[in-house]
Amino acid sequence: QKEVEQNSGPLSVPEGAIASLNCTYSDRGSQSFFWYRQYSGKSPELIMFIYSNGDKEDGRFTAQLNKASQYVSLLIRDSQPSDSATYLCAVNMYSGGGADGLTFGKGTHLIIQP
Amino acid sequence: DAGVTQSPTHLIKTRGQQVTLRCSPKSGHDTVSWYQQALGQGPQFIFQYYEEEERQRGNFPDRFSGHQFPNYSSELNVNALLLGDSALYLCASSGGLAGGGNEQFFGPGTRLTVL
Repeated sequence: QKEVEQNSGPLSVPEGAIASLNCTYSDRGSQSFFWYRQYSGKSPELIMFIYSNGDKEDGRFTAQLNKASQYVSLLIRDSQPSDSATYLCAVNMYSGGGADGLTFGKGTHLIIQP
Repeated sequence: DAGVTQSPTHLIKTRGQQVTLRCSPKSGHDTVSWYQQALGQGPQFIFQYYEEEERQRGNFPDRFSGHQFPNYSSELNVNALLLGDSALYLCASSGGLAGGGNEQFFGPGTRLTVL
């Protein structure tokens, strides 16, 4: 049974600070790792993906992957009130037949306080 | 460039009825995955369609079935609805083998309420 674990929060961060979101996964065969942002009543929006160990930066977002520890994180620098949302971590495998269905965590509710 | 579209937006059904949800993938994508998201939970994978066939299936009963058309659009059918089927149903498209991309992009979802 593949599992993805996230702290449900809420995680409260002051505006302008760094928000750090964490995720662990159980299946060592997982190859691809994704972070989605979901506003209340809306669908998930892909904000970052990472396939190799290390860091990947895109604007204010940095994804970090440590396959040995089965750990993925998302850092949001200079947090803005508009970053307040639920952040979903998802993993899958990419086999020769294409990308597998995603296994999601329950999400972390992030609140940026002005 | 049109993103993933889904219809209808909202749907109300009674127990025992059947429902069909529809999805059109993002332009250039050929793979469609369906997910069920209950309130306060992460999305749960139902199944994935590629080349008009079910390529992979999650842990959902046979009451959940689907179809993919030659234009890559897809339908999700749920028979004998239960109260527990009330959820947000999400469609995601990806490039599959043709597009080469592993990233999945979600549509706005269909909110199903079963009374």
